[in-house]
Amino acid sequence: AQTVTQSQPEMSVQEAETVTLSCTYDTSESDYYLFWYKQPPSRQMILVIRQEAYKQQNATENRFSVNFQKAAKSFSLKISDSQLGDAAMYFCAYRSARGSNYKLTFGKGTLLTVNP
Amino acid sequence: DTGVSQNPRHKITKRGQNVTFRCDPISEHNRLYWYRQTLGQGPEFLTYFQNEAQLEKSRLLSDRFSAERPKGSFSTLEIQRTEQGDSAMYLCASSSPGLDVLQVQFFGPGTRLTVL
Repeated sequence: AQTVTQSQPEMSVQEAETVTLSCTYDTSESDYYLFWYKQPPSRQMILVIRQEAYKQQNATENRFSVNFQKAAKSFSLKISDSQLGDAAMYFCAYRSARGSNYKLTFGKGTLLTVNP
Repeated sequence: DTGVSQNPRHKITKRGQNVTFRCDPISEHNRLYWYRQTLGQGPEFLTYFQNEAQLEKSRLLSDRFSAERPKGSFSTLEIQRTEQGDSAMYLCASSSPGLDVLQVQFFGPGTRLTVL
C-alpha cells in the first residue's frame, strides 16, 4: 500500500517570503500522480498543483511550484511571495495511475501560518 | 454555485442514533468519492462510485456504514448506531471522466459529525 509522509506538522513564513513544504511517499509503482491540496480554516479543500510522475519537468502554477524527485520519492511544494491568504493546512496526496479507482492517499498535512 | 455541496454542514447526535449525509457532486461528474477526516489527520478514503455503481469500499467502512448513489446523481452516506469513534469530518469529492487523465477531484465543504 502506498503511504504519504509530511514530516512538518507546522510551518510559518513571513509575508512576501518563500517557504517549502516537504512530502515523501512510498510506492512500488512507476506511474502515478501527485497533488498538493490546500484546506483553509473552515473551508473546502482546493487543488494547488499537480504532477504526473512520468514528467521530468516540475509543475508550476503562478507562485506555487514543486520539486519532484522521483528516485528519492520526494514531492515538495514551494510557495513564493507568500500572502496572508496562503495560510491553510496543506495536504500532499498520491494517486495510482493503475486501475479504475482514483482514490487519493493523503499525508497528515502541514499547517502553514503566514505572519504579516 | 456549481461546486460540490454537502448537507448538513454540521450534525450532532447521540451515540446509537442513525445519521445520513448528502453529497451533490458537480453535475457532469460521474465519479463520486467519500473520505473521512479525523482531527490531525489527512482524509482517508471510504468508498467511491462510478455513476450509480459502488465500485470499491475501504476496510474503514464497517457494516454500520452504507452509501448509495441512486441514478448516478447525488449520494448519501448513512451511519447506523453511531459510536463516538465516528466523530469526524466526512468529505465528498467528485471528478470528471473528460479529457483530464488526472481526474482531479473537487471537494465539498464536508459534514462535521459529533457523536455525544
